Amino acid sequence: DAKTTQPPSMDCAEGRAANLPCNHSTISGNEYVYWYRQIHSQGPQYIIHGLKNNETNEMASLIITEDRKSSTLILPHATLRDTAVYYCIVRVQETSGSRLTFGEGTQLTVNP
Amino acid sequence: DGGITQSPKYLFRKEGQNVTLSCEQNLNHDAMYWYRQDPGQGLRLIYYSQIVNDFQKGDIAEGYSVSREKKESFPLTVTSAQKNPTAFYLCASSNRDFSYNEQFFGPGTRLTVL
Repeated sequence: DAKTTQPPSMDCAEGRAANLPCNHSTISGNEYVYWYRQIHSQGPQYIIHGLKNNETNEMASLIITEDRKSSTLILPHATLRDTAVYYCIVRVQETSGSRLTFGEGTQLTVNP
Repeated sequence: DGGITQSPKYLFRKEGQNVTLSCEQNLNHDAMYWYRQDPGQGLRLIYYSQIVNDFQKGDIAEGYSVSREKKESFPLTVTSAQKNPTAFYLCASSNRDFSYNEQFFGPGTRLTVL
């Protein structure tokens, strides 16, 4: 799996957009970018994933650069409840079971 | 409600005792997973199972054992051979209907060995 690099921490003001970067310069052509988040003392929660096109769902938007070497997760209007550790994971699509590798992620703190 | 349940939320054991952590899912998922998380760290994979009666070691399987006798259940036993068992344990499941990479997690069990 491609290695990912994320900043250890970020701050964001409530109501503003939170832009979380992830570098994955060794990503292969068949590897997807996945984002999860983990609120303190809870299990991680899947947010979004993409291959090369930008993706949007009810939680967030994912912007992947044209060369696919980096991506940005965007929370358009951050709330206090978005304070969590955000994990960027690169992985091929699996046909049965999946060994995801969760690094240390980015601690996002949304401030009032 | 569909989901994954882990019990208990907090568990205390004396050193040298085996302890079994429960994980049940009613999502009809084929694959199930156990992860361990230490303070300030990411998740590390202990064991995973792609189908009933089959499971594979993850990255840190030593000192742990699992069984998968039913599709809905994937209990984890922390044995006395695990040198540093105090941690937060997370169970997850996934299925081809969404993507095996979209794993659904339980609330976790925080194990403290005294």
